Amino acid sequence: SQQGEEDPQALSIQEGENATMNCSYKTSINNLQWYRQNSGRGLVHLILIRSNEREKHSGRLRVTLDTSKKSSSLLITASRAADTASYFCATDSNYQLIWGAGTKLIIKP
Amino acid sequence: NAGVTQTPKFQVLKTGQSMTLQCAQDMNHNSMYWYRQDPGMGLRLIYYSASEGTTDKGEVPNGYNVSRLNKREFSLRLESAAPSQTSVYFCASRSGGPGELFFGEGSRLTVL
Repeated sequence: SQQGEEDPQALSIQEGENATMNCSYKTSINNLQWYRQNSGRGLVHLILIRSNEREKHSGRLRVTLDTSKKSSSLLITASRAADTASYFCATDSNYQLIWGAGTKLIIKP
Repeated sequence: NAGVTQTPKFQVLKTGQSMTLQCAQDMNHNSMYWYRQDPGMGLRLIYYSASEGTTDKGEVPNGYNVSRLNKREFSLRLESAAPSQTSVYFCASRSGGPGELFFGEGSRLTVL
């Protein structure tokens, strides 16, 4: 069963705009992680936010976590064509990750 | 560093055939995982090995077996392939406990 659910399923924006993706989950977690997957490739880790953290930044990425609402968001600022990919959230509890179905992000030139 | 290496990258099988997917990591990680990814779905855990010498079932273990050969290698075997096992398989590893997963590039399996 999938714990994380991403919203929206697909997102198409113009280069330079910001992209926001959301993830909701059901049970308590140790941390929540975001990954990127380019077409036909493996997943690459982007950022990890622990359950006692509320916000984290990494370059153009900003992740927030609201444990009371069991939700997280990933913001990509000033999007580039190279950001075109699928983005997955994964919740980490009991030393296993459970994955959402992903958001497919398309950056239009 | 190679990271996580999976072989083969592509495979076509007939129903009932068997095969083994190989995975090796060179990061001295304790934990290794096998996932399958189907269109429109997230990753689903097949089996994992929290440390050398241990293996445990994940969400979708039926039709699969695994072997943690040593700390570096974790193989996934399909004893009698079925069309429902057509998927992309990913091996991943991490040092142990909560933290970042490192993925291989995937093995694309088609069962006819």
